[in-house]
Amino acid sequence: LAKTTQPISMDSYEGQEVNITCSHNNIATNDYITWYQQFPSQGPRFIIQGYKTKVTNEVASLFIPADRKSSTLSLPRVSLSDTAVYYCLVGEEYGNKLVFGAGTILRVKS
Amino acid sequence: GAVVSQHPSWVICKSGTSVKIECRSLDFQATTMFWYRQFPKQSLMLMATSNEGSKATYEQGVEKDKFLINHASLTLSTLTVTSAHPEDSSFYICSASGTGGTGDEKLFFGSGTQLSVL
Repeated sequence: LAKTTQPISMDSYEGQEVNITCSHNNIATNDYITWYQQFPSQGPRFIIQGYKTKVTNEVASLFIPADRKSSTLSLPRVSLSDTAVYYCLVGEEYGNKLVFGAGTILRVKS
Repeated sequence: GAVVSQHPSWVICKSGTSVKIECRSLDFQATTMFWYRQFPKQSLMLMATSNEGSKATYEQGVEKDKFLINHASLTLSTLTVTSAHPEDSSFYICSASGTGGTGDEKLFFGSGTQLSVL
């Protein structure tokens, strides 16, 4: 399983764009990159998934360079409610276990 | 969208008793479910992979006799913490692999169960 490395924590202010980068040097050909958000005492919540280039949905964008050895989650105009832990996971799509790394604690201040 | 229901949300029990946690996929069939545990301020740690109709595969260091997993149907997996002790107090989370979510989402998580052993 590909190991992921993320910054331990990040601080931001309301209204700013936040970019969280994840390194996954050993990503395999069949692996997808998925980001989850977790609030205290809750299960992780899916944010976005991608394989290459750029993916955008209503809450975030995911940028993946050609070599796929890293990825960047972009959260536009964060609010206080975006304060959470963000996890980057790498693995195949179906039926395969996903191993969580340490995650990034994002603190949004007013 | 696909929903995974986990029950109970929290449980307090006496040391030495057993506790069962249920994980249900409400609107899709989940051939594979995963069980995680999470200690305060730490990441999720995968405990085992549960496949419908077969024995669970446990991660290294996880005692299979202590954490009994049963995946008897395509919509239900249970985790039983046997003879619980205070060190088993943790946040337990299940997830289920399947289709039915919005967009690319393929792995769906329950809301977690906080276990406190006195």
